[in-house]
Amino acid sequence: AQSVSQHNHHVILSEAASLELGCNYSYGGTVNLFWYVQYPGQHLQLLLKYFSGDPLVKGIKGFEAEFIKSKFSFNLRKPSVQWSDTAEYFCAVNAGMGRRALTFGSGTRLQVQP
Amino acid sequence: GAVVSQHPSWVICKSGTSVKIECRSLDFQATTMFWYRQFPKQSLMLMATSNEGSKATYEQGVEKDKFLINHASLTLSTLTVTSAHPEDSSFYICSAREPAGGKNQPQHFGDGTRLSIL
Repeated sequence: AQSVSQHNHHVILSEAASLELGCNYSYGGTVNLFWYVQYPGQHLQLLLKYFSGDPLVKGIKGFEAEFIKSKFSFNLRKPSVQWSDTAEYFCAVNAGMGRRALTFGSGTRLQVQP
Repeated sequence: GAVVSQHPSWVICKSGTSVKIECRSLDFQATTMFWYRQFPKQSLMLMATSNEGSKATYEQGVEKDKFLINHASLTLSTLTVTSAHPEDSSFYICSAREPAGGKNQPQHFGDGTRLSIL
């Protein structure tokens, strides 16, 4: 079965700092990869997704992620964070044929200080 | 964009009560919906896959008689926590995927239901 690891549980940054959140998955076959964000008191929202093609994926709000197949990684990046980026970020994987549910990582809480 | 509505958002009830949570896709039809559970400071765990017109598929360790799922229409799935106990207190989230149309589509999530059993 697939699994997803997010190694950073809680990250604190100052505004304008650069962000990189790690995500590693374990599955040997074709995967679809996602990053979701959950702002305080709100529902999960899709930030970006990777299905195929260019491994560097650009999402909303200036976020991007790079799929590195050899490292089984899909790290999320943003060059300059804002206070409004304070939220919980979840990496998720959808692997295998015919199985459409997502397997989530444990989440990373990002706190951006003004 | 596609929206998934979940109701209620928060429910507090006594032990032994059964609680029903609704998940609706508002502007698209969803033959499949997913129910997840999130414990405090933990990630979402898939509980079951709700299939319109057929039985739900439960993940290992999830009691189907405890968590009853009904997907009676293409826009509504319900999760009923029967005879709820304090250990059932959690955050329940549903999601639905837009029709594939030949391509993968991401899931859209409801706002979640915080269930507190006293």
